Amino acid sequence: LAKTTQPISMDSYEGQEVNITCSHNNIATNDYITWYQQFPSQGPRFIIQGYKTKVTNEVASLFIPADRKSSTLSLPRVSLSDTAVYYCLVGSNDYKLSFGAGTTVTVRA
Amino acid sequence: DAGVIQSPRHEVTEMGQEVTLRCKPISGHDYLFWYRQTMMRGLELLIYFNNNVPIDDSGMPEDRFSAKMPNASFSTLKIQPSEPRDSAVYFCASSLLDEQFFGPGTRLTVL
Repeated sequence: LAKTTQPISMDSYEGQEVNITCSHNNIATNDYITWYQQFPSQGPRFIIQGYKTKVTNEVASLFIPADRKSSTLSLPRVSLSDTAVYYCLVGSNDYKLSFGAGTTVTVRA
Repeated sequence: DAGVIQSPRHEVTEMGQEVTLRCKPISGHDYLFWYRQTMMRGLELLIYFNNNVPIDDSGMPEDRFSAKMPNASFSTLKIQPSEPRDSAVYFCASSLLDEQFFGPGTRLTVL
């Protein structure tokens, strides 16, 4: 499993864009990049997944440069309810996900 | 669909007792996962099943832990005997493709 490194915490304000960068220098050719969100007292929830370039859904965007050694999760116009822990995971389709410490995002009014 | 269902939501027991955690995956999902989450170690994968067959149990901490999946709609994680260091939140998740759907978790406290 590729090791990932992401910031421990980030602070933001309502309405701002939040960008969380994850480093995964030893990503393998078959690996996908997946982000999960976890609220207190709940299980993680899938946000977005990508392999290369850019992926966008109704919740977030995922930017992956050509070398795929890092990725950036972008949350547009965050609200207080986006306060959560965000996990970056790298893996292939063997279903073994390795959750690191994640990034605690705190959104303030 | 009700999502992944776990029971009980909270369990308080004394050291040495047997604990059984239960999980009902989302209907149609063929993968089932058991995770443990603590402040110290974060979220750890314990074991996962595919079509009711255990595929990888390398994350199971020791022989006191066992997991079964007798059919596609039910799985258990048993700890016998339980120890205080087993206190954690235990999550069950299921998936059909890449996305895993997590249950609400069982908060276990071993006194």
